[in-house]
Amino acid sequence: SQTIHQWPATLVQPVGSPLSLECTVEGTSNPNLYWYRQAAGRGLQLLFYSVGIGQISSEVPQNLSASRPQDRQFILSSKKLLLSDSGFYLCAWSSTSGGRLLDFGPGTRLLVL
Amino acid sequence: RKEVEQDPGPFNVPEGATVAFNCTYSNSASQSFFWYRQDCRKEPKLLMSVYSSGNEDGRFTAQLNRASQYISLLIRDSKLSDSATYLCVVNRGGNNRLAFGKGNQVVVIP
Repeated sequence: SQTIHQWPATLVQPVGSPLSLECTVEGTSNPNLYWYRQAAGRGLQLLFYSVGIGQISSEVPQNLSASRPQDRQFILSSKKLLLSDSGFYLCAWSSTSGGRLLDFGPGTRLLVL
Repeated sequence: RKEVEQDPGPFNVPEGATVAFNCTYSNSASQSFFWYRQDCRKEPKLLMSVYSSGNEDGRFTAQLNRASQYISLLIRDSKLSDSATYLCVVNRGGNNRLAFGKGNQVVVIP
């Protein structure tokens, strides 16, 4: 069976500090991978998605970037965090065959102070 | 107009009662629709897909109205464990890019 991992679970960072969140998927190959953010009082916003190694599509301009160095690894980064980057960051995967919907990881709760 | 709109609630429901809520979507070309459930401070999980003819899964019934561009979810015989936020989700197109509503918060009261 497939499993998706995210870490850390919780993170408190000062404004202006860098960020690196990691997501890995087990039990599948060549998945589509996604980063979503859920800010307080707002819906889930798609930030990035990737259909393969090194292939990143950005949905909205922002202070963040994503990379996919390996097939089942997806990384979300920032060079300098803003207060507005606070939120619940969720990694998700789906099968490229489209036969399976999004499965989400447990998420990382980020608070920027 | 937002892609997916939901009334956040909360919907306070007595245990054993029925609750129903809708969500509207803006893209008439959308083809796939879903309901996800999100418990407090947890990740969303798929509850059910929504088919054109409507579908039922136990106490849960989902319906789609393409003409009016809305999706509905009905929960019968509400249980305390049904307390959660129900997210309306629309597939925006290729690569499974889903648009999520803010969710309907349901609180089942003993």
